[in-house]
Amino acid sequence: GQQLNQSPQSMFIQEGEDVSMNCTSSSIFNTWLWYKQDPGEGPVLLIALYKAGELTSNGRLTAQFGITRKDSFLNISASIPSDVGIYFCAGTFGGSQGNLIFGKGTKLSVKP
Amino acid sequence: GAVVSQHPSWVICKSGTSVKIECRSLDFQATTMFWYRQFPKQSLMLMATSNEGSKATYEQGVEKDKFLINHASLTLSTLTVTSAHPEDSSFYICSARDGTGGAYEQYFGPGTRLTVT
Repeated sequence: GQQLNQSPQSMFIQEGEDVSMNCTSSSIFNTWLWYKQDPGEGPVLLIALYKAGELTSNGRLTAQFGITRKDSFLNISASIPSDVGIYFCAGTFGGSQGNLIFGKGTKLSVKP
Repeated sequence: GAVVSQHPSWVICKSGTSVKIECRSLDFQATTMFWYRQFPKQSLMLMATSNEGSKATYEQGVEKDKFLINHASLTLSTLTVTSAHPEDSSFYICSARDGTGGAYEQYFGPGTRLTVT
């Protein structure tokens, strides 16, 4: 079945630093989504990507849909303490059978 | 943005009893709703997918008679954990997809923490 590799598993950074995380898939996707989950909460959608090569920003967050359609990355610029949480990538081929495939998450810790 | 609510946010029940969790899409009609289970420090595990008015499609290994899903309307889905046991204790999260216009964005509820004693 489809597999999604997300890296890194965890990151410890200083406030103000930039962060980059990525996901690679064994199969091509039509849609990539990036979520953030705080402890005890459901995931919150950050960015949705629909086209290969697409680069989309949401405030300090930027995500790209890889040209090969098998990868995506998320960058966070000038990190702040509230960026702490677990970030999940998710991909789908879409259509009626298009369930999301989730990465295992990247746990981000920010030192003030 | 699209909002999905979930109720209750936490519940404690005794072994052998049943618990119902509600999931509502508040500002959009959800063509498809999903139920996930999440164990500590792990990713989300899809349990089942349901379309309004249809029977849910369960993932392999998920007992459909134990986890009853009803998707009676485009804004409401319920998950009932029947004859709950301590091993059913987990964080259950619902998700809803708008699906209109070809979009596949899924929005998640805040989750329900189930503890079975």
